[in-house]
Amino acid sequence: LAKTTQPISMDSYEGQEVNITCSHNNIATNDYITWYQQFPSQGPRFIIQGYKTKVTNEVASLFIPADRKSSTLSLPRVSLSDTAVYYCLVGDAMDTGRRALTFGSGTRLQVQP
Amino acid sequence: GAGVSQSPSNKVTEKGKDVELRCDPISGHTALYWYRQRLGQGLEFLIYFQGNSAPDKSGLPSDRFSAERTGESVSTLTIQRTQQEDSAVYLCASSLELAGGPETQYFGPGTRLLVL
Repeated sequence: LAKTTQPISMDSYEGQEVNITCSHNNIATNDYITWYQQFPSQGPRFIIQGYKTKVTNEVASLFIPADRKSSTLSLPRVSLSDTAVYYCLVGDAMDTGRRALTFGSGTRLQVQP
Repeated sequence: GAGVSQSPSNKVTEKGKDVELRCDPISGHTALYWYRQRLGQGLEFLIYFQGNSAPDKSGLPSDRFSAERTGESVSTLTIQRTQQEDSAVYLCASSLELAGGPETQYFGPGTRLLVL
């Protein structure tokens, strides 16, 4: 299972674009990259998932360079409601090692008015 | 159901007592996970169920922790002789595993356990 490394915390202001980078140097060929968001007192929820290049949905974009050793979650024009912890997870549905999963501590994003 | 549900939402117990936490996964999801999240920390994997395969219990912190799953349905996490360090939020997630494809986990709201 690929280990991931993220910044512990980030601060931003409303209306700014926020980019959170996750390092996963030993990502395997079959691994996908998934980002989750967690608000206080709630379980994590899926934001976006990708394998390579760029993925965009109504919430965020995910940029993955050609070597796939890192990925960047991009949140356009953040608002106060985007204050949350963001987790990066790398794995494959059939990866037998992935069950010992840990989301790590994630990145705590604080958006200021 | 519409999503993963967990019960109870909150549980306060005394040290040394046993507790049972329940998870109802999304219908049709073959995989089910339990995680523990201490205050201000990330998610710690506990146990994983997939269909009729033997569960992966590698994350259980001690033999006081156990879990069962009925087929591809409800799961129960049991903590025996609770200790104060067991106080945490216990999260359950389910997913629909597809061979060779990505996986998305859907989380329940969690059970907040406080051991006095």
